[in-house]
Formats: sequence, C-alpha cells, structure tokens
Amino acid sequence: EDKVVQSPLSLVVHEGDTVTLNCSYEVTNFRSLLWYKQEKKAPTFLFMLTSSGIEKKSGRLSSILDKKELFSILNITATQTGDSAIYLCAVNRGTGTASKLTFGTGTRLQVTL
Amino acid sequence: NAGVTQTPKFRVLKTGQSMTLLCAQDMNHEYMYWYRQDPGMGLRLIHYSVGEGTTAKGEVPDGYNVSRLKKQNFLLGLESAAPSQTSVYFCASTDPSNQPQHFGDGTRLSIL
Repeated sequence: EDKVVQSPLSLVVHEGDTVTLNCSYEVTNFRSLLWYKQEKKAPTFLFMLTSSGIEKKSGRLSSILDKKELFSILNITATQTGDSAIYLCAVNRGTGTASKLTFGTGTRLQVTL
Repeated sequence: NAGVTQTPKFRVLKTGQSMTLLCAQDMNHEYMYWYRQDPGMGLRLIHYSVGEGTTAKGEVPDGYNVSRLKKQNFLLGLESAAPSQTSVYFCASTDPSNQPQHFGDGTRLSIL
C-alpha cells in the first residue's frame, strides 16, 4: 500500500526560528515529490523534486529529496507569521497516463510573535 | 487568471439528497481530479479523468459519480448523500507532463 508520512504533525515556533519539516514515503512507480502550502483554502504549489540531492530554493524556503532513503525535508529559515499554514507533502506515482498524487496528512505550522 | 474554479463554495444537505459539484479550469489541462480532505486524513483521491469523456476511480470512489463531458469541466455527483460524506472537496488539474496539480479553493459540504 502506498504511504506518505509527515512529521511532526504540528509545530509552534517563534518568529525568526528555523524549522525543518519531514516527509517519508513508500510508493510504487515514483515520479516526483511535491510540497504544497495550505492556508485557508487551496493548496498552493511550493516545490517539485525528482532527483536526489538537488536542493530547490525559493526565498527562505528550500527542499531536498533523498530517493535512496525515501524522504524529503522542507526547510524554512527566519520564519514569519505569514508562514503559518499546513504544509502538505505528496508523491506523484503511476505509469503511463495514470499520474496520481498520494498525500501525507500534513504538518500544521504556527509561527508566533 | 481564474485557474481552477469550484462551485458552490458551501452547501448543507440532508441525508439522502443529491447534488453536483462543479469544477471548471481555464488552463486547457488534460487531467482533472477530485479529492476530499478530512481532519487527520490528508487529501484522498475520489475520481480522476485523463481527458474529455474518460473517468477513473481513485482511492475512495464509493458513493460518488463523475462526468467529463467537456475538457474544461469535471463534475462530482453525490446521488444519495450520507453524513460520512461531510468533508471539504477539492478539484485539481494538470498536464500529462509530470507538472504540479493546481487546486481550486474547495467546497465545504455538510450532510445532516
């Protein structure tokens, strides 16, 4: 059975802290791993990772994939209150035209002043 | 820049009633998906479509039907709503070339 596990489930930090969110997976026919940020409504895309060891970076956020150990991390440096959200990890799996996402349950991050 | 639009945004139904949720995308995407999101469960795939006129079952298809008569629209139907179908429903779309899925803002559905 395909499985994506995120940790921690929730996290409270102070503004300015650095946080690391974890995602491990066991899926068949791995294509890519994606990170999304979900505030009140639609999940919004952050990163897509397909190759091991190559860091993707956007401002204070960065992410890396380890396909040998089957996990990814999402780092947020100098956190701000606007980073408060649920962070979702998903793995794109499938062959041919059947491209499907399996999601983890998410990590709820709260950044306080 | 509408992207993926879901209607309605909120709905309350009584057990046994039927309804249809509409998803429309203006990005000319081939693939469209319906998910449900429940507390502690993450997003789970209900049904998906890889092109106009085609549909397939996802992880949790029971109690739902879908149709993709036009490329830009993907309908999710509940024939006889049950309290277990109380959830937030998200639609998403993408291209076949391993691109990220783009999500709508969701429909919050409560069944009493």
